[in-house]
Amino acid sequence: NAGVTQTPKFQVLKTGQSMTLQCAQDMNHEYMSWYRQDPGMGLRLIHYSVGAGITDQGEVPNGYNVSRSTTEDFPLRLLSAAPSQTSVYFCASSYSVGPSGYTFGSGTRLTVV
Amino acid sequence: AQSVSQHNHHVILSEAASLELGCNYSYGGTVNLFWYVQYPGQHLQLLLKYFSGDPLVKGIKGFEAEFIKSKFSFNLRKPSVQWSDTAEYFCAVHSGGGADGLTFGKGTHLIIQP
Repeated sequence: NAGVTQTPKFQVLKTGQSMTLQCAQDMNHEYMSWYRQDPGMGLRLIHYSVGAGITDQGEVPNGYNVSRSTTEDFPLRLLSAAPSQTSVYFCASSYSVGPSGYTFGSGTRLTVV
Repeated sequence: AQSVSQHNHHVILSEAASLELGCNYSYGGTVNLFWYVQYPGQHLQLLLKYFSGDPLVKGIKGFEAEFIKSKFSFNLRKPSVQWSDTAEYFCAVHSGGGADGLTFGKGTHLIIQP
C-alpha cells in the first residue's frame, strides 16, 4: 500500500517553462487536493477535487491547472513557471471531505530560476 | 473566510518540559480540527483530530488536544517532550459541510534541547 505518491521529488525550472507535478493514490480516496508550503505561510490550498471529473479552485489557484480523469491521479500543471512559484508542493487525499483526516504525499520541491 | 492562528511561531524547550501550542480559528459553525506534525525533510503526518464527542482528544506519541468551543481554540499539549519531538506543528481546520479542504495555521517550529 503506497499511499500518496508524488513525482518528481525535486525539480528546477526556468522562468516560462511548463511542467506537470504528478500525484497518485491507491486508497480509492474520492477527495484529492494540492497545497503549496512556503516559509512562514503554512500550507495554502491550490486546487481540489471531490471525485473524478470534478475540480475546483482553492485559495491560490493562479498559474496552476488541474484535471481529474481517474480516481487515482490528480496532476498539477504549471502553465508558465514564475519565480513566485518556487515552493514545496504537497498532494493530499482523503476518503471524504472533512473529518477522516488527510494523507499527504512526500512533497515536490520546485525551484524556478 | 476561515482563518487559523498559531500564536507561537518558534518554541524552544528542554527535554521533559511540558508543551502547549496554541491554535485559534475563526469559523463559528461546525468544524473539524486537526494537528499535523512535519519532521525535518518529511511530509505532514496526522497527530490527532477532533470532529465530535469528547473535547479532549488523544493522539499519537503522547500528544493530546482540547477543543474549547467558546474560545474557538484547539490547543495541543504534551506533558513531557522528547528530543525527537523537534518538528514543525500545524493546526488545521475544516469547516463542516464545506468541500474546499483544510485551512492551515502558519505553523510552530518546536526545538527540543537535550
